[in-house]
Amino acid sequence: DAKTTQPPSMDCAEGRAANLPCNHSTISGNEYVYWYRQIHSQGPQYIIHGLKNNETNEMASLIITEDRKSSTLILPHATLRDTAVYYCIVIYGNTGKLIFGQGTTLQVKP
Amino acid sequence: NAGVTQTPKFRILKIGQSMTLQCTQDMNHNYMYWYRQDPGMGLKLIYYSVGAGITDKGEVPNGYNVSRSTTEDFPLRLELAAPSQTSVYFCASRIAGTGSDNEQFFGPGTRLTVL
Repeated sequence: DAKTTQPPSMDCAEGRAANLPCNHSTISGNEYVYWYRQIHSQGPQYIIHGLKNNETNEMASLIITEDRKSSTLILPHATLRDTAVYYCIVIYGNTGKLIFGQGTTLQVKP
Repeated sequence: NAGVTQTPKFRILKIGQSMTLQCTQDMNHNYMYWYRQDPGMGLKLIYYSVGAGITDKGEVPNGYNVSRSTTEDFPLRLELAAPSQTSVYFCASRIAGTGSDNEQFFGPGTRLTVL
């Protein structure tokens, strides 16, 4: 499974877009990029995933570079409730095993 | 649907005691997982199951056992509790699928302390 690298922490002003980067330079062709977040020791929550194309859902957008070596999760209008640890995970195949790194702690400030 | 439920929410064990952490899901998911999370760290996979009767080891299986006799239940057994097993334990499930269908649903966690 490809390894991911994320900044340990980021701040964002409430109402502004939060852009969380992830580096996955060893990703292979069949590996998907998944994003989860964990709010204050609750169970992680799925946000979004993608393979090659940019993706958007009701929670966020995912931008994947053309070479697929990095991606950015975008929360378009961050709220205080978006304060959490965000995990970028690369997954291959059907077992669904998630290999969590340290993630990025996003602090949304008023 | 209740989703993924875990019991107990909290537990304190003495060294050498044993216990079973319960996990149940009502979404008819084939795949189930057990993770542990130490303070300030990401989650680590202990065991997983791709269906009833089938289990496999994850990253940190030592000191734990699992069974999967039904689709709904995936209990995690600690036989001889050690302080190193003090952690928060999360159970998760997902419907079987390909790499493009890997949304996992997590339970609320069990906070275990071994003294």
